[in-house]
Amino acid sequence: DGGITQSPKYLFRKEGQNVTLSCEQNLNHDAMYWYRQDPGQGLRLIYYSQIVNDFQKGDIAEGYSVSREKKESFPLTVTSAQKNPTAFYLCASSIVTGTSEETQYFGPGTRLLVL
Amino acid sequence: GQQLNQSPQSMFIQEGEDVSMNCTSSSIFNTWLWYKQDPGEGPVLLIALYKAGELTSNGRLTAQFGITRKDSFLNISASIPSDVGIYFCAGQLRTGGFKTIFGAGTRLFVKA
Repeated sequence: DGGITQSPKYLFRKEGQNVTLSCEQNLNHDAMYWYRQDPGQGLRLIYYSQIVNDFQKGDIAEGYSVSREKKESFPLTVTSAQKNPTAFYLCASSIVTGTSEETQYFGPGTRLLVL
Repeated sequence: GQQLNQSPQSMFIQEGEDVSMNCTSSSIFNTWLWYKQDPGEGPVLLIALYKAGELTSNGRLTAQFGITRKDSFLNISASIPSDVGIYFCAGQLRTGGFKTIFGAGTRLFVKA
């Protein structure tokens, strides 16, 4: 089955620790995205990547880092510089067709909690 | 920057009732998308709209792309308990690449 997988489902981080969230897709999508979701709020874009070895900052990139070494993988690292990391993190991917159609499909999410 | 205003913020309805929610913006969008998010899960695409004035149905769901391209609505008819969740609208702009902006969501509660 094609889809987007995120792991782990739940992640606990200690103060001052870096943690990495995994996102893998086998949809052959070109673009991948990371969003942060806080209670009662919409989705805020952290980073996105439209092709391998290239990525761009979103609206709230501070305290986060990403890499895109393979088309199917887009891991997100939450660094110790992110002072309020507790949130639900969503990964998405889309195909770039050059038309107005670039629908994003989401993974199941990772909930990060700071101990 | 571009913003989407999604309303209502939450709705409490009785099973069997119809539901309507909408998104408005001061910006013009190329595409409107509607997603549903179940608790603890990622959003799932319900309906995608690509042309101004387009009216599209998916089972009990109907969505429309506003003529001005600045708004969209989603209707759910004859609600059932499994309709509970958060519904997000998203507008897409073509800006060299694409930019997707999400509304804050409408939380739907259905009482059996």
